[in-house]
Amino acid sequence: GAGVSQSPSNKVTEKGKDVELRCDPISGHTALYWYRQSLGQGLEFLIYFQGNSAPDKSGLPSDRFSAERTGGSVSTLTIQRTQQEDSAVYLCASSLALIGTSGRAGGELFFGEGSRLTVL
Amino acid sequence: DQQVKQNSPSLSVQEGRISILNCDYTNSMFDYFLWYKKYPAEGPTFLISISSIKDKNEDGRFTVFLNKSAKHLSLHIVPSQPGDSAVYFCAAMRRSNDYKLSFGAGTTVTVRA
Repeated sequence: GAGVSQSPSNKVTEKGKDVELRCDPISGHTALYWYRQSLGQGLEFLIYFQGNSAPDKSGLPSDRFSAERTGGSVSTLTIQRTQQEDSAVYLCASSLALIGTSGRAGGELFFGEGSRLTVL
Repeated sequence: DQQVKQNSPSLSVQEGRISILNCDYTNSMFDYFLWYKKYPAEGPTFLISISSIKDKNEDGRFTVFLNKSAKHLSLHIVPSQPGDSAVYFCAAMRRSNDYKLSFGAGTTVTVRA
């Protein structure tokens, strides 16, 4: 499809297990972002990529979280030793260029459908 | 620390009437504000935005108002239609040098026929 694709759409896992969430951005979009939405909360910024580089990882909640992007395309968000508080919808978004530069703004973000993670 | 707040988790309105969604923010550095709409099982999609140099922006049935002194913005939908039933997120950013949006928790709008 032409939009941002995320998998899996739903993941139920046991506490302590590792999970990987995948994001396939719109072709040609150089910027990629990960957000998460916990129950009753707004979307929380986690990390962004410009190409394959992630200049700011300060939004990641803990060192159990990591993300990578290869080939300027697909990104994987990995959560190690999952905890119940990691339960959330993890949303990926992409944009043609990094927002906040050259006057670009969030209207140019395209979101995927999200991956709902439930940690039992 | 929630920099963007939507204090009404839900709103029910009759078809044809006006829907008013409110949003407050705390960071005076924000200079660009957006509304996103989200249907179940779909990602948020951009709806309308406003720059801090304006106090109103209109696009069809949707109008966003910004009150900088009160750090408040609102989204008006007139007239409301059943297809408007969705979750609406308010978001804010610093357009000059920031790459992340700060989102509110969302308001679920239900338009009754």
